[in-house]
Amino acid sequence: ETGVTQSPTHLIKTRGQQVTLRCSSQSGHNTVSWYQQALGQGPQFIFQYYREEENGRGNFPPRFSGLQFPNYSSELNVNALELDDSALYLCASSRWGSTSYEQYFGPGTRLTVT
Amino acid sequence: GIQVEQSPPDLILQEGANSTLRCNFSDSVNNLQWFHQNPWGQLINLFYIPSGTKQNGRLSATTVATERYSLLYISSSQTTDSGVYFCAVFSGDYKLSFGAGTTVTVRA
Repeated sequence: ETGVTQSPTHLIKTRGQQVTLRCSSQSGHNTVSWYQQALGQGPQFIFQYYREEENGRGNFPPRFSGLQFPNYSSELNVNALELDDSALYLCASSRWGSTSYEQYFGPGTRLTVT
Repeated sequence: GIQVEQSPPDLILQEGANSTLRCNFSDSVNNLQWFHQNPWGQLINLFYIPSGTKQNGRLSATTVATERYSLLYISSSQTTDSGVYFCAVFSGDYKLSFGAGTTVTVRA
């Protein structure tokens, strides 16, 4: 069974630039969620994708957008980067429609905005 | 939205000691998960426990859904248990809501 993978591991960007982060879900899972974790805090929900559509969104501005592909992998795009976007970005996969809502997380992408 | 509170925020243990971490939540939940975040940032699944008691080695967890709390027990702690422990709940609105975490330091 393949776990959740994310790329890249680390990334440094300049304020105003755009970034794309990638996530491959665990085999057998059809739902991907993205979370942002600032230093010293718990992860905050950004959005979730199911059947290639956004299935729910947290309190994040529209410059945070995403995609889900037919193979259930996903991308998180952030435009017009701000210094406060520096954080660990975590992707989680799960199987919507099962009796379990358990989510499994990838290793994360650490984004630094300078 | 649902509020999740974890206590204590920090815990320092001597190797071999036992400890209890607590998670309170403000509304009924469909799912509760405990995670251990390793120094590299990955969240490791410890328990999926919307109700009842589960055990896995030296770790066990109990959730009393009717009273809106969950407890994580660490017995005979080891230095490898150090890290941040998160409780997260799912109340049907497609997102996990996390607490602020408990930072555990186990000293040899």
